[in-house]
Order: sequence, then C-alpha cells, then structure tokens
Amino acid sequence: DQQVKQNSPSLSVQEGRISILNCDYTNSMFDYFLWYKKYPAEGPTFLISISSIKDKNEDGRFTVFLNKSAKHLSLHIVPSQPGDSAVYFCAASVTSGTYKYIFGTGTRLKVLA
Amino acid sequence: EAGVAQSPRYKIIEKRQSVAFWCNPISGHATLYWYQQILGQGPKLLIQFQNNGVVDDSQLPKDRFSAERLKGVDSTLKIQPAKLEDSAVYLCASSRGQLKETQYFGPGTRLLVL
Repeated sequence: DQQVKQNSPSLSVQEGRISILNCDYTNSMFDYFLWYKKYPAEGPTFLISISSIKDKNEDGRFTVFLNKSAKHLSLHIVPSQPGDSAVYFCAASVTSGTYKYIFGTGTRLKVLA
Repeated sequence: EAGVAQSPRYKIIEKRQSVAFWCNPISGHATLYWYQQILGQGPKLLIQFQNNGVVDDSQLPKDRFSAERLKGVDSTLKIQPAKLEDSAVYLCASSRGQLKETQYFGPGTRLLVL
C-alpha cells in the first residue's frame, strides 16, 4: 500500500523556468510533510517542510503548497538552476506516536542549461 | 558540525552470507534511523532508536535483520543470511529528537547480493 505517491518519475525543465513537482497521499492522518533532495551517491538532504495547519511555506526559491482536501502537495522551484538537477522525494508523517517518515518513490528533475 | 557517517560505502556479498553496516550519527542526536532504499523506490524505515531503545521496528525482517545501538550513539545493522532481494542502499539518519525534528541522512551503504 503506497501511502505517498509521486506519479512522475522524471521531469525536464529549462533553466530559469519554474519546476513543479507533485506528490499525493492517501492517509488523512498525515499532518507534516517534507521534501528531500538527493544527489547521486549521497544521502537525501532536507529541503523544506510544511505542517498541515498551513497551505504554503516558502524558503527562497522553494515553495511547498499543501491542498489537504485533495491530499496533494507540490514543490515549486523558481527559477530553476542546473544545480537543482537531482531526485526529489516527498515524505509524510503523523506527528504522534513514532513520527516516522513515509517516502514517495521520487521524481528525477533535470534542469537544462 | 560533522554529518552522519556510514561504512562501508559499498559491499558485494553472495547470498546466504552475512554483512554488517555501521553508522555514527551527528553528535548529540538522540534518534537514529535505518532505512532501506531499493532501486526505483523511496527510503523505507527499517528501525528507529531513541537513545538505545527501539521505538519502531515494525518493518524490520527480524528473521534475518538485526540492529543495535548499545551506548545510544553508534549503531550497527546486520543481515544474516542475506537474500538477493536485500540488494539496496542502506541509509542511516539521525535527528535531535522526534517531533518535527529534521532527519539528517548519511551517504548510505550500497549492498549488492549475488
């Protein structure tokens, strides 16, 4: 049972344009969401998070939007840079109990110079 | 601040052999996690420690996998005996606590079982 889904395995975007990565979840108990970025041969690094009490969180070029009714979140990168080329994972958790992350399968973003 | 350290970085073994991975978390981080990432999938939590106690091991195949964090710092994850389907990257992560604390990941150990 895949509770967190990233339906686009890959995405190519021109440098300077907007990258939009999408994530859907099925468990309505999730109340905290995160995006991680992963370069080859490295571990995932934290990018941005959002609590379910918000619908938007912004950090520099990165903005995460949360639509609870649709059980959908998205990551916007504006403007996209070649260094943003990586695999992006969304993760969700319930902030009670063991607070473990459930990760999606990842989207490979390629920013073309 | 030093990051999460893992060793070895790569390991090739034959099925039915045993293997062990080591993780040194960020200093002062009470919570330690082991994840398994199979090619094309996201990381899946195997076990979570709070200090030296197990918080969650619901997805750890306990017939062949074991993990310990004896002094609440370093941790080892062992597979015995290994199966072909254990080929994956094993990621260790740590966080200061649990609730909404960011998890910091190590570079992972890539295991290939032949």
